[in-house]
Amino acid sequence: EAGVAQSPRYKIIEKRQSVAFWCNPISGHATLYWYQQILGQGPKLLIQFQNNGVVDDSQLPKDRFSAERLKGVDSTLKIQPAKLEDSAVYLCASSLGASGMGETQYFGPGTRLLVL
Amino acid sequence: SQQGEEDPQALSIQEGENATMNCSYKTSINNLQWYRQNSGRGLVHLILIRSNEREKHSGRLRVTLDTSKKSSSLLITASRAADTASYFCATGSFSGYSTLTFGKGTMLLVSP
Repeated sequence: EAGVAQSPRYKIIEKRQSVAFWCNPISGHATLYWYQQILGQGPKLLIQFQNNGVVDDSQLPKDRFSAERLKGVDSTLKIQPAKLEDSAVYLCASSLGASGMGETQYFGPGTRLLVL
Repeated sequence: SQQGEEDPQALSIQEGENATMNCSYKTSINNLQWYRQNSGRGLVHLILIRSNEREKHSGRLRVTLDTSKKSSSLLITASRAADTASYFCATGSFSGYSTLTFGKGTMLLVSP
């Protein structure tokens, strides 16, 4: 089966610019996650969707980050305006159900963002 | 916030040796998962153990869970160079929104 797709793979922008990332989860997966992974650290959950509804966005910096999941399938994550500390890898993952209850998460290749 | 704390932060061994990584966590969980991340294949699920289980095996992997000590260990037997990667534990809790919380990871280097 096709895995989780993400684009772009790499992005370089200047601070205060905006950027958007796209994710296409595995077909049939109800739950979609966006993580931020800073070099040397583990992934930090930014937002979790169940179908097209937000389940958890407690760690999403809502003054600059936004995300949506259209029709419960694809998702976009946007940063506007970007700061230097946003430089990280942005990972998208999906699972059949909620992984906190034991479902496996399947990760995409990630988008590596560098903010100059 | 990150609940799991892996130990050691880095581990270097020779091919054929066993590698053991530990994970400690703070709050009650309903399951604990181990993931591997390398540059070639990204982040991949390895094994899951539920809170009512004490040990699980999958191929060369053995995971233990001690809920009284809030800790888990991952053992990789007969390591190969291809096992070189970062290994993360991730905990799922009963409360909240059923999300996973990842630790900072152990970086494993297996030399030929």
